[in-house]
Amino acid sequence: DTGVSQDPRHKITKRGQNVTFRCDPISEHNRLYWYRQTLGQGPEFLTYFQNEAQLEKSRLLSDRFSAERPKGSFSTLEIQRTEQGDSAMYLCASSHGTGGFQPQHFGDGTRLSIL
Amino acid sequence: QKEVEQNSGPLSVPEGAIASLNCTYSDRVSQSFFWYRQYSGKSPELIMSIYSNGDKEDGRFTAQLNKASQYVSLLIRDSQPSDSATYLCAVNSAGTYKYIFGTGTRLKVLA
Repeated sequence: DTGVSQDPRHKITKRGQNVTFRCDPISEHNRLYWYRQTLGQGPEFLTYFQNEAQLEKSRLLSDRFSAERPKGSFSTLEIQRTEQGDSAMYLCASSHGTGGFQPQHFGDGTRLSIL
Repeated sequence: QKEVEQNSGPLSVPEGAIASLNCTYSDRVSQSFFWYRQYSGKSPELIMSIYSNGDKEDGRFTAQLNKASQYVSLLIRDSQPSDSATYLCAVNSAGTYKYIFGTGTRLKVLA
């Protein structure tokens, strides 16, 4: 069990650029979540994958955000035309199970800073 | 009304005391509840999960769930300075795949 891995740890980019983050979940975990967290707030749900299927997206997620999980293993989160308000910590979490809500295990996150 | 509410704190307790952290939630049909600890600049780490009414103990930690009153609490016995962190409560959102997190309670254990 090597834990949830996220890459990169930090990303600094100019407004208007596209960025892509990667998450490698714990190997036997079929469930994968993306969250966004800003200072003083709890993690905010962005999207959920069960295996390769994206089963839920937050209504707060604009069309600039897209996520994939090809083959049900790693996942990528892309933000197009970044804005100042996108500056946040982006967290990936994974869990295992086919029913019910199981505890999630978080990666170390990717901190995004928009200049 | 927020879906998951926590007092932001800080809650200050002396070393060796019991710290009591509370969380209320709005969705009556939520079934799964979790406590996470988050150190500054780090990601959340799972402390405990609880699914049934009553108490669940794990070492110095006890989670308490009361579904009728819609609250879940976390007790930390013999608090240590290393317990100083933000504690996040998470609740499943019924009918969705989402976990809803509170804003967290910042705990300071004074040596």
